[in-house]
Amino acid sequence: DVKVTQSSRYLVKRTGEKVFLECVQDMDHENMFWYRQDPGLGLRLIYFSYDVKMKEKGDIPEGYSVSREKKERFSLILESASTNQTSMYLCASSFPDSLKFGQGTRLTVV
Amino acid sequence: RKEVEQDPGPFNVPEGATVAFNCTYSNSASQSFFWYRQDCRKEPKLLMSVYSSGNEDGRFTAQLNRASQYISLLIRDSKLSDSATYLCVVPSRGGGFKTIFGAGTRLFVKA
Repeated sequence: DVKVTQSSRYLVKRTGEKVFLECVQDMDHENMFWYRQDPGLGLRLIYFSYDVKMKEKGDIPEGYSVSREKKERFSLILESASTNQTSMYLCASSFPDSLKFGQGTRLTVV
Repeated sequence: RKEVEQDPGPFNVPEGATVAFNCTYSNSASQSFFWYRQDCRKEPKLLMSVYSSGNEDGRFTAQLNRASQYISLLIRDSKLSDSATYLCVVPSRGGGFKTIFGAGTRLFVKA
């Protein structure tokens, strides 16, 4: 079965910490995405990448950066974690247009 | 107008009932649409794709109304296991690879 795997299911980090969320897909997909999901707001796109070393801002990129050094891996970086970044983070990949999601990382910033 | 809007529900229906959800979108140029299902504390999973007028898969039917700019999801003979949140997904007005998720419609099927 094809998979999108996120490195952690649950994370607790302190305010100001630099946080790395890792995502790996085994489907050789070109496109990868990072979303966050909050109650009442649905899924919101943070960043996406359509090729190695290529990235595009989504709707809410502030406070985040990404890295895609290899096709299968897309990392989300919280430069200095804040409490308003407490959320469920979902990684996805796609080819051509339907999305396959990872299991999600529930991040709590205290 | 939001790019995609869904009735948040919740819809509470008995087993065996037929239930329908609507999703309205603002990008008249959209060509492909999707319904995802999300169980509590799990990731969204693709339920159906809609590329033309509609799609049917067993008890599930998705229909597209381009004139009124909405897609619908019809579930016949509801099962307890259909209880979930159903997310409507449409291409972003900005184009490219971006898609917009609706906030979801919650469905509870009761015995």
